[in-house]
Amino acid sequence: GQQLNQSPQSMFIQEGEDVSMNCTSSSIFNTWLWYKQDPGEGPVLLIALYKAGELTSNGRLTAQFGITRKDSFLNISASIPSDVGIYFCAGQETSGSRLTFGEGTQLTVNP
Amino acid sequence: GAVVSQHPSWVICKSGTSVKIECRSLDFQATTMFWYRQFPKQSLMLMATSNEGSKATYEQGVEKDKFLINHASLTLSTLTVTSAHPEDSSFYICSARAGGYEQYFGPGTRLTVT
Repeated sequence: GQQLNQSPQSMFIQEGEDVSMNCTSSSIFNTWLWYKQDPGEGPVLLIALYKAGELTSNGRLTAQFGITRKDSFLNISASIPSDVGIYFCAGQETSGSRLTFGEGTQLTVNP
Repeated sequence: GAVVSQHPSWVICKSGTSVKIECRSLDFQATTMFWYRQFPKQSLMLMATSNEGSKATYEQGVEKDKFLINHASLTLSTLTVTSAHPEDSSFYICSARAGGYEQYFGPGTRLTVT
């Protein structure tokens, strides 16, 4: 089945620094999604990407859908303490099909 | 918009009893709902996909007789954990999809079986 490799597993950064994380897949996805999960909560959708090469921003967050359709990255600029949480990438083969999740990146921001 | 709720947010039950978890889409009609399980420090694992009015499709390794899913309306799906055991203790999360690509997640239900 589909596998998503997400890296890094964890990051410890200082407030104000930029952050980058990425996901790679063994096969093609037609949609890439990035979620953030706070402790004891469900994931919240941050950015959705629908076209290969697409670059989309949401405030301080920027994500790109890789040209090969097998990868995606998420950047967070000028991190703040409330950025702390677990970030998951998720891929979807076709519209409406199941999501395959990456293993998550635990982000810690030191004030 | 696109709000999904779950009830209860946490539940403690004794081994051998059954527990029902509700998932509701509050401001949209969900043609498809998904149930996930998440163990500590792990990713979300899809358990089953349910379409309104039809039987749920379970992922490999998920016992359909143990995890009963009912999607009786376009705004409500329920997951019943039957004869719960301590190893069923986990964080159960549902998501709902209106018809497009995006899934909206509920806040999760923490199940502890003693």
